[in-house]
Amino acid sequence: AQSVTQLGSHVSVSEGALVLLRCNYSSSVPPYLFWYVQYPNQGLQLLLKYTSAATLVKGINGFEAEFKKSETSFHLTKPSAHMSDAAEYFCAVSESFGNEKLTFGTGTRLTIIP
Amino acid sequence: DTAVSQTPKYLVTQMGNDKSIKCEQNLGHDTMYWYKQDSKKFLKIMFSYNNKELIINETVPNRFSPKSPDKAHLNLHINSLELGDSAVYFCASSQVRTGRIEAFFGQGTRLTVV
Repeated sequence: AQSVTQLGSHVSVSEGALVLLRCNYSSSVPPYLFWYVQYPNQGLQLLLKYTSAATLVKGINGFEAEFKKSETSFHLTKPSAHMSDAAEYFCAVSESFGNEKLTFGTGTRLTIIP
Repeated sequence: DTAVSQTPKYLVTQMGNDKSIKCEQNLGHDTMYWYKQDSKKFLKIMFSYNNKELIINETVPNRFSPKSPDKAHLNLHINSLELGDSAVYFCASSQVRTGRIEAFFGQGTRLTVV
């Protein structure tokens, strides 16, 4: 069975500071991993995905994530936070091709301090 | 030119009523999903359909019945609504056949049962 753990339900960073949102996964087969962002009263937007190609994945809005198999992690980072990054972020896992069900973490609310 | 569209966006109804939520995708995807997001923002899959065939049916009460008239549409009908059904329901789609398994989400339908 697949599962995702997001450490820290709330993260606050100053504008211009590094953003680090943590995600650890559990999967019995090589996983596909995703980060989604949800702005208030909106749907989920894909930030980036890992599908067994390069371990460092670049996404939209300056975000990137690194797949570390030894640590079963897929942390999301951005070098410099912007006010518009304030949102809810979800990490999700899918157990590779053929099982398209996304299992989500509990989400991390990112607050940007001016 | 919305990719995944749901109607209605808001739905307020009384306990015991029957209601439907409609979803349409214009991305040409072969798989569609319903996810439920509870008051704590936790997202969980309910159903998935691939080319009108039910693929995933998580532990969901029989009062919830999905219907896919064609691969571009997936509707959700809920009978005998209960207070606990209050949540945001998201429709999503993906193109599994070509391996592009990232899901594209609609804007959500906020269901409030009173």
